[in-house]
Amino acid sequence: AQKITQTQPGMFVQEKEAVTLDCTYDTSDPSYGLFWYKQPSSGEMIFLIYQGSYDQQNATEGRYSLNFQKARKSANLVISASQLGDSAMYFCAMMAYNNNDMRFGAGTRLTVKP
Amino acid sequence: DTAVSQTPKYLVTQMGNDKSIKCEQNLGHDTMYWYKQDSKKFLKIMFSYNNKELIINETVPNRFSPKSPDKAHLNLHINSLELGDSAVYFCASSFNSDRYGYTFGSGTRLTVV
Repeated sequence: AQKITQTQPGMFVQEKEAVTLDCTYDTSDPSYGLFWYKQPSSGEMIFLIYQGSYDQQNATEGRYSLNFQKARKSANLVISASQLGDSAMYFCAMMAYNNNDMRFGAGTRLTVKP
Repeated sequence: DTAVSQTPKYLVTQMGNDKSIKCEQNLGHDTMYWYKQDSKKFLKIMFSYNNKELIINETVPNRFSPKSPDKAHLNLHINSLELGDSAVYFCASSFNSDRYGYTFGSGTRLTVV
């Protein structure tokens, strides 16, 4: 079974600085995808970024990048140039492609300080 | 046009009642899901349907029964509601092995009093 671990319940970052949100995972499946979602206070789940287990390069989407270290089974999210609107819960998730089953970590609450 | 729509957005009901939450997606996805998010924000999968067939059925009380009349709809019916059922319920959909993950509905906040 998959297990996703986010060890930071809460993080603070100064506006305009970069922040790294940690995520480690455990799976025996060889083929899987890693995802990050943002959940602002309004409650909706917003897809941010995807990394495939066979992708050679780290994924980037605008200010978001995923630091994928396959041997360490980590998929940390890096947000550059933080903005006040980045304050939200961030969830790391993993989907094993043999069962299309996405599991989530416990989340990290990010607060951006002005 | 909303891609994954859930109704109602808010639901307040008394213990012991039976209620349903509806979900519809217009993305042509073949798999739909129900997740429960508790008060600590933990997201747990409940059910997964692929082309109207039940694929994942986690350890969920049998008071919860999903119904998928077609691949664009996945409704959740809950019998004999209990206080502990209070949570936000998210519907989601995807293609199989979709690199874009799931598209989520906006959630239904269920409060049992």
